[in-house]
Amino acid sequence: AQSVTQPDIHITVSEGASLELRCNYSYGATPYLFWYVQSPGQGLQLLLKYFSGDTLVQGIKGFEAEFKRSQSSFNLRKPSVHWSDAAEYFCAVGGKTSYDKVIFGPGTSLSVIP
Amino acid sequence: DTAVSQTPKYLVTQMGNDKSIKCEQNLGHDTMYWYKQDSKKFLKIMFSYNNKELIINETVPNRFSPKSPDKAHLNLHINSLELGDSAVYFCASSPGGAGYEQYFGPGTRLTVT
Repeated sequence: AQSVTQPDIHITVSEGASLELRCNYSYGATPYLFWYVQSPGQGLQLLLKYFSGDTLVQGIKGFEAEFKRSQSSFNLRKPSVHWSDAAEYFCAVGGKTSYDKVIFGPGTSLSVIP
Repeated sequence: DTAVSQTPKYLVTQMGNDKSIKCEQNLGHDTMYWYKQDSKKFLKIMFSYNNKELIINETVPNRFSPKSPDKAHLNLHINSLELGDSAVYFCASSPGGAGYEQYFGPGTRLTVT
């Protein structure tokens, strides 16, 4: 069955510290992987995506993610967190066609302390 | 210009009422979606339309009926509202299927009392 897990429900980091949010997926075919961010009261915004090629992908706002097929993981990283990064982060997996659903993980809530 | 817009942003209504949420995208995308986000932030797809054709219809009560009058609009009508329908409903669009990034609207917070 297709699924996405995000083991950390909530993470707190200090401003300026590094960040890693974990994501593991289960998908029968070649996965298309995404990270979205949701600020309070807002819709989701795409941070980055992986389709193929280089397993380290760069996104907006200084985020990057690494696809590891052997571990079925797609972890999100940022070297130095800003207070404005406090938000909910969703990992998602999808297939190629219109008939494939995008499966979202349960989300990780990030708090940033000064 | 807002890429994906939803109206209303807030909707408070009583049990048993019928309500609609409207969604419009100006991105020229072929595919549109409705998602439900519950109080624990869990996001679940409800429907997907591609060029006005229903593609994905998840296990959703038939009180929920999507309608796509054209490629740029996808509305959600809900009959006989129940307390459990309280949630945030998001509309999204994408240029293709699930392999493409989705652009989300700001959400409609529905509260059923």
